[in-house]
Amino acid sequence: GAGVSQSPSNKVTEKGKDVELRCDPISGHTALYWYRQRLGQGLEFLIYFQGNSAPDKSGLPSDRFSAERTGESVSTLTIQRTQQEDSAVYLCASSRTRGAYEQYFGPGTRLTVT
Amino acid sequence: AQSVTQPDIHITVSEGASLELRCNYSYGATPYLFWYVQSPGQGLQLLLKYFSGDTLVQGIKGFEAEFKRSQSSFNLRKPSVHWSDAAEYFCAVGAEGGGADGLTFGKGTHLIIQP
Repeated sequence: GAGVSQSPSNKVTEKGKDVELRCDPISGHTALYWYRQRLGQGLEFLIYFQGNSAPDKSGLPSDRFSAERTGESVSTLTIQRTQQEDSAVYLCASSRTRGAYEQYFGPGTRLTVT
Repeated sequence: AQSVTQPDIHITVSEGASLELRCNYSYGATPYLFWYVQSPGQGLQLLLKYFSGDTLVQGIKGFEAEFKRSQSSFNLRKPSVHWSDAAEYFCAVGAEGGGADGLTFGKGTHLIIQP
């Protein structure tokens, strides 16, 4: 089927506003991951879901970040009271199941906080 | 904790020349190793992976990588590069059996192809 999709592809927001980023994983993939990629940097792991459960949220940068997932489908990453340092590309990936199986990445959402 | 080092931030290679991108990892158990490529404005595409077995793995687009446990390395190679190979390359390591910390990525190597 289709690959991982993310929306919006680009988001410009003012400092202090809340944003919501969406990820649609590959159908049937039970594991879903969020990463952040700052300009010129590698990927920073944020959180993963197995089904709709996120066992470890310690990778989220601050309490302004939250994520949820409905069943084994759509996930949303919410950033409250955005700051300029939140500007980055947010990438979502899914894999067939939990584990270090190959992860399939979406195109990302480029977030710019002005 | 696991870590990945890609020592070369930028590499410039002439079209048709051979390529080797270096990757060193640190991990206490059997690692799962990956190479991804990211073209401008694109998501990451998996080039190849190593889980177990033959230490020389073949990937897409003519790439291969060799796992050397003694050197904690997983270098990516291609015999003859094409202009379309210009991109950012990321090496990543994952935990056997999975884990809550996803994949750990290196900072990437930017490949420039000279005509």
